[in-house]
Amino acid sequence: AQSVTQLDSQVPVFEEAPVELRCNYSSSVSVYLFWYVQYPNQGLQLLLKYLSGSTLVESINGFEAEFNKSQTSFHLRKPSVHISDTAEYFCAVRSTGTASKLTFGTGTRLQVTL
Amino acid sequence: DTGVSQNPRHKITKRGQNVTFRCDPISEHNRLYWYRQTLGQGPEFLTYFQNEAQLEKSRLLSDRFSAERPKGSFSTLEIQRTEQGDSAMYLCASSHETSGTRGYTFGSGTRLTVV
Repeated sequence: AQSVTQLDSQVPVFEEAPVELRCNYSSSVSVYLFWYVQYPNQGLQLLLKYLSGSTLVESINGFEAEFNKSQTSFHLRKPSVHISDTAEYFCAVRSTGTASKLTFGTGTRLQVTL
Repeated sequence: DTGVSQNPRHKITKRGQNVTFRCDPISEHNRLYWYRQTLGQGPEFLTYFQNEAQLEKSRLLSDRFSAERPKGSFSTLEIQRTEQGDSAMYLCASSHETSGTRGYTFGSGTRLTVV
């Protein structure tokens, strides 16, 4: 079984400031890691993922996340946020085996203000 | 490709009534998932199908819940004798077994309010 911990339920930040959203996971097997973003009244959209290889993964809109196996973390970062980044962010894991269900964290609300 | 479609978007029902939601996955995806998301929580897995076979069910899926995917295409989730605790967003997602590592594609969800 896997579990995901997102310690920060809300992160307020000013526009153009850097941000880090924390994610730690627990698993007895190898996992894939994902970040999803959810805008109000919408479904979840895949932001980025770690499957294998380079531990630093990037999205097309400036977010990046680094897989740290020793610390079982997959923190999400952006060097300069925009108002439009205001949303709920969910970290998720799934095992690398045949089972395909995702286990999500409780989410972090990123609130960007001027 | 129109994405994953869920209907209705919103449903208000009285306690004790039955409700049914529909999910139409991306056409070439053979896996379909149902999740439930309550306020302030992340999505919780309910069940998933590969083609028409229901391969896994969560303990969250009580006997009042039933999901079907009769022809391996669209799926329905029925809740019988609804309770106030069933109020949540019900999310559907789909993927293909050979591309699951790309992550799922989620629908916009059905928001259920039980009054």
